[in-house]
Amino acid sequence: AQSVTQPDIHITVSEGASLELRCNYSYGATPYLFWYVQSPGQGLQLLLKYFSGDTLVQGIKGFEAEFKRSQSSFNLRKPSVHWSDAAEYFCAVGSMNRDDKIIFGKGTRLHILP
Amino acid sequence: DGGITQSPKYLFRKEGQNVTLSCEQNLNHDAMYWYRQDPGQGLRLIYYSQIVNDFQKGDIAEGYSVSREKKESFPLTVTSAQKNPTAFYLCATDRGFNNEQFFGPGTRLTVL
Repeated sequence: AQSVTQPDIHITVSEGASLELRCNYSYGATPYLFWYVQSPGQGLQLLLKYFSGDTLVQGIKGFEAEFKRSQSSFNLRKPSVHWSDAAEYFCAVGSMNRDDKIIFGKGTRLHILP
Repeated sequence: DGGITQSPKYLFRKEGQNVTLSCEQNLNHDAMYWYRQDPGQGLRLIYYSQIVNDFQKGDIAEGYSVSREKKESFPLTVTSAQKNPTAFYLCATDRGFNNEQFFGPGTRLTVL
């Protein structure tokens, strides 16, 4: 069965500092991987996705993520965070198999220090 | 302007009452989903529907019911059997082939 782990419940970084949010997954076949962002009281917005090909994917708002099959990871990165990046971030895993539903991690809340 | 609408944004209910949350989409997506979100628990799947007039239970279906009479609409009813209904409810859709989901803005339900 698929599973997704986001080890960090909360992360605090200073504005302008770099960011890495961790995501580990478990899935038997080639996964489809996603990162979503959620501002308080809002729905989820897709930041980026990986289906195949280049393992470094670029997303919106200056985010990128790297798929590492050997480590079963899909960590999200940003070189310099802005105060507006404060939000909750969800990693998710899916597949081309329609019988497998997308599975979301429990989320990492990002706090930004001025 | 394509998208997913959920109404109302905030909903208050007295204990023992049923309440229906609306989800409408004009993305022409086949599949629709309802999730419940509680602090620290991520998203939990309540029900989903991959085609009109068909739907399946998710992980926490007890106390909820749905219908899918039209492709565009997937309303969720929170019944009095749901013991702890206060939560944030999210509706989502996908095209049906790669699991990429699109989310509505959510409805916050509070039981008084």
